[in-house]
Amino acid sequence: AQRVTQPEKLLSVFKGAPVELKCNYSYSGSPELFWYVQYSRQRLQLLLRHISRESIKGFTADLNKGETSFHLKKPFAQEEDSAMYYCALKNTGFQKLVFGTGTRLLVSP
Amino acid sequence: DGGITQSPKYLFRKEGQNVTLSCEQNLNHDAMYWYRQDPGQGLRLIYYSQIVNDFQKGDIAEGYSVSREKKESFPLTVTSAQKNPTAFYLCASSIGRRSSGANVLTFGAGSRLTVL
Repeated sequence: AQRVTQPEKLLSVFKGAPVELKCNYSYSGSPELFWYVQYSRQRLQLLLRHISRESIKGFTADLNKGETSFHLKKPFAQEEDSAMYYCALKNTGFQKLVFGTGTRLLVSP
Repeated sequence: DGGITQSPKYLFRKEGQNVTLSCEQNLNHDAMYWYRQDPGQGLRLIYYSQIVNDFQKGDIAEGYSVSREKKESFPLTVTSAQKNPTAFYLCASSIGRRSSGANVLTFGAGSRLTVL
């Protein structure tokens, strides 16, 4: 079965520190992975997807098939990065997404 | 203003009552979804629909029902059979499966249901 694991419920860092939000997955096929973000009082929205290979708001994520990971990284955290982050995996068949349990990132001044 | 509209934003229900949550989209998306969001459990899929007049159960469909009579609308009914209905419910939509954006979901603002 497809599964997404986000081991940290809360990640607290100071402004300017590097950030890495962990995501591991289990999947038998060729995965398609996403990071979604929910800022306070805003809707859940797509942050980035691995096939785009782009940097959004300074965040990057590299798919590591050997380690079955898709960690989200940013070299210098900003206070406005504080939010709930969800890693998601495309399921087999139709475009169902399986979400992880989420990691709350708190960036302090 | 394109997007997904969920209503009501807050809803209170007595035990034993059915309630229906509305989800409307004007994005011309083929697929629509209902997720349940609980603290510490992430998002869990309740039902999804690929096209009008068709829908499939997700991972936690028991106690819920849906309909897809129009492309724009995908209402969710929380029945009295749902044992723990108090939660935050999110509706989402995506472009049809043949598009490169098929797996990109657009979410509504959510509906919070509280059972008294």
